[in-house]
Amino acid sequence: AQTVTQSQPEMSVQEAETVTLSCTYDTSESNYYLFWYKQPPSRQMILVIRQEAYKQQNATENRFSVNFQKAAKSFSLKISDSQLGDTAMYFCAFTPNNAGNMLTFGGGTRLMVKP
Amino acid sequence: GAGVSQTPSNKVTEKGKYVELRCDPISGHTALYWYRQSLGQGPEFLIYFQGTGAADDSGLPNDRFFAVRPEGSVSTLKIQRTERGDSAVYLCASSALRNTGELFFGEGSRLTVL
Repeated sequence: AQTVTQSQPEMSVQEAETVTLSCTYDTSESNYYLFWYKQPPSRQMILVIRQEAYKQQNATENRFSVNFQKAAKSFSLKISDSQLGDTAMYFCAFTPNNAGNMLTFGGGTRLMVKP
Repeated sequence: GAGVSQTPSNKVTEKGKYVELRCDPISGHTALYWYRQSLGQGPEFLIYFQGTGAADDSGLPNDRFFAVRPEGSVSTLKIQRTERGDSAVYLCASSALRNTGELFFGEGSRLTVL
């Protein structure tokens, strides 16, 4: 069974600064995907960024980037130039390649961006 | 539709009652997923459909929970004899592509069992 752990229940950052959210996972699979999803107060989960385990290059989407350390089973999210609209719950998630997109989520980190 | 639509947005019921939660996925998406999110926790997988059939229902907690997708589009999650512990947000998601992990979520149905 896979597990995903987010050790930071809450984080805060000043607007325009950089923040890093941590995620570790445990799996015996060798081929898998990792994700960060954002959940604002509206409750709708939105995909922020995706990493394929076989790719060594870290994924980047505008102000969002990841630090993927496969050997350490670590997958952190860096948000640069934080904006007020980034305030939300952030969930790290995992799925093996052959699991039909069934995601295993971590417990989440609540991020507050302060003006 | 433009996005995944879930109804009702909020449902309050009494212990022991029967509840149905509906999900209308993005048009053309063949895969549909139900997750349950308890307060302060991450979503937990319940069941996933590929077309009309349940490809994996291993996350359903017990036989009071059942889901259908008779025409391969709209899905209904059915909960019999509701218990207070069933209170949670029930999230539905759909996907067009297999094995990419990109799910499109609805805004969820918040169920409160009194």
